[in-house]
Amino acid sequence: GAGVSQSPSNKVTEKGKDVELRCDPISGHTALYWYRQSLGQGLEFLIYFQGNSAPDKSGLPSDRFSAERTGGSVSTLTIQRTQQEDSAVYLCASSLLGGAGSEQFFGPGTRLTVL
Amino acid sequence: QKEVEQDPGPLSVPEGAIVSLNCTYSNSAFQYFMWYRQYSRKGPELLMYTYSSGNKEDGRFTAQVDKSSKYISLFIRDSQPSDSATYLCAMSTSNTGNQFYFGTGTSLTVIP
Repeated sequence: GAGVSQSPSNKVTEKGKDVELRCDPISGHTALYWYRQSLGQGLEFLIYFQGNSAPDKSGLPSDRFSAERTGGSVSTLTIQRTQQEDSAVYLCASSLLGGAGSEQFFGPGTRLTVL
Repeated sequence: QKEVEQDPGPLSVPEGAIVSLNCTYSNSAFQYFMWYRQYSRKGPELLMYTYSSGNKEDGRFTAQVDKSSKYISLFIRDSQPSDSATYLCAMSTSNTGNQFYFGTGTSLTVIP
């Protein structure tokens, strides 16, 4: 079956512009995660959704970052007034039920470059 | 101090070698331990999953967890060029909600 998909695969933007990154999780997966992967930094947790609710937003680095999920499916991560330090690969993952021991299935990521 | 420490490498080995990858961690509450493999320009994929301490074997791969030392390992036997990838350890506990803590990843190249 189809895995997690993300779009766009690459995004180049100018400093100060807003960007939207999209994630389509595996159908039926209730949990959805966003991570940021920077060179030498590993995966940094950003936000977690259970259904359409985000019980854990603790990883969002600033109020320029926001995310939503609609219909228990598609999620959008929005970065406002982008900065050069926002350049990274943004990964989305989904899991069937969520929880500490759940298997996460990752998308291929969106590579964001802020000039 | 980071929650999870992992040597980034890079690690280069000849085909057929035994590879040992390791992570240390600081939170004694971690219960779930995972190893992910990430090929270039792809998302991570789950390779091994272990709950609590002990060993788990799957084909050429063996995962070990030593909770007393806060140390986990992944061994790859008879390494193949197709094993060339970045390997990330990850761990979690129900005490931290749904946060998963990842290492920085170790880049492995298996030379034919």
